[in-house]
Amino acid sequence: EVQLVESGGGLVQPGGSLRLSCAASGFTFSTFWMSWVRQAPGKGLEWVANINQDGREKNYVDSVKGRFTISRDNAKNSLHLQMNSLRAEDTAVYYCARAAVLASFDHWGQGTLVTVSS
Amino acid sequence: EIVLTQSPGTLSLSPGERATLSCRASQRVSSSYLAWYQQKPGQAPRLLIYGASSRATGIPDRFSGSGSGTDFTLTISRLEPEDFAVYYCQHYGNSPPGWTFGQGTKVEIK
Repeated sequence: EVQLVESGGGLVQPGGSLRLSCAASGFTFSTFWMSWVRQAPGKGLEWVANINQDGREKNYVDSVKGRFTISRDNAKNSLHLQMNSLRAEDTAVYYCARAAVLASFDHWGQGTLVTVSS
Repeated sequence: EIVLTQSPGTLSLSPGERATLSCRASQRVSSSYLAWYQQKPGQAPRLLIYGASSRATGIPDRFSGSGSGTDFTLTISRLEPEDFAVYYCQHYGNSPPGWTFGQGTKVEIK
């Protein structure tokens, strides 16, 4: 069974940093693109970043470029999102998601809440 | 940048009725990379449709997707109680590479 379990969320002050992790199991992690998608409270879904199988190709939504860094450790079946210079508008539930057939996200974690507030 | 606009914002229907949800792209997109998701309160999204019309694993056949170019539709033929939720369309583009979601359509019980 495919499982994605996020961790690392919490309350952080504006300008602070946080590192999210996603533990993957039940599939060959190293063969899939992976993404982070976020959802602000009461709002819709927003794709944040993605990374290819070997970690060499990364893409970001414009609003997080230069502040967030996606990475992966295929030996540990884990995905990460380093978030720096956090802003109030980064407050959201952050999901990790597996990109599968025709770039659809076929499996999602349960999400981890990041709150940026003083 | 492609913008996906979903309509209506809210759809009020009764169980057993047919639901028709629209997703319009701001420019022509590849139907290969058009997907639909269902999200219930407090839960992660669930993939329903990929490639505009292919059902994901385990999705009942009352869900169907269609469309091409700029206009796409998700149809639920007969609403079951568990289908009342928010639905999002999504597109992947490669210039620049990334994913875009529509703002969602809420299907609520009338």
